Amino acid sequence: QLVLTQSPSASASLGASVTLTCTLSSGHSDYAIAWHQQQPEKGPRYVMKLNSDGSQRRGDGIPDRFSGSSSGAERYLTISSLQSEDEAAYYCQTWGTGIWVFGGGTKLTVL
Amino acid sequence: QVQLVESGGGVVQPGRSLRLSCATSGFTFSSYVMHWVRQAPGKGLEWVAVVSYEGINKYYADSVKGRFTISRDSSKDTLYLQMNSLRPEDTAIYYCARGGYHLQTHIVYWGQGTLVTVSS
Repeated sequence: QLVLTQSPSASASLGASVTLTCTLSSGHSDYAIAWHQQQPEKGPRYVMKLNSDGSQRRGDGIPDRFSGSSSGAERYLTISSLQSEDEAAYYCQTWGTGIWVFGGGTKLTVL
Repeated sequence: QVQLVESGGGVVQPGRSLRLSCATSGFTFSSYVMHWVRQAPGKGLEWVAVVSYEGINKYYADSVKGRFTISRDSSKDTLYLQMNSLRPEDTAIYYCARGGYHLQTHIVYWGQGTLVTVSS
């Protein structure tokens, strides 16, 4: 079964860096994912696509402070030089034959 | 720029029907996969349905299979979601989203959503 697991919450200080993790279920470690950001009271926004080899493509207007990396079944989103507007929920998403799946989301608090 | 504007949400009684629309602009609608994704109050994102660029292939989440129907009209650049036999657990913000050229890829653009409330 294709499942994505995320920690419910994370926090980091203004100007610091933070890394969010998305874990693919067993047997799916070669899957690509996408990261999406949802600021409070707004619709989601596509951040990037991240492949199993770490190659990535950011969405329109996403600053290079957002970067991704991969290791085994783990997919990471690192946000550097944190700004207040980065406070949001971050969701990972993947897909298989006839199925599209979201992780439960990580709520990032910028202190 | 890409724009996706949902409409048709509202309050509906359990067991009734509702049709959502998503008007699109800024891209060649007939070339792209389109999705519906929902978000229950205070919860995360849940994928609902997808339709291929030509409207032939459609897939649904188990939670809505047999009750919801996704469709598209390329003459109007509009995506639809027909929701029948609505249940209280269908209460959510419904987002229209655009994928890529192929079914097996990710969502790249999102609308702002329309709220559906199922309540007696």
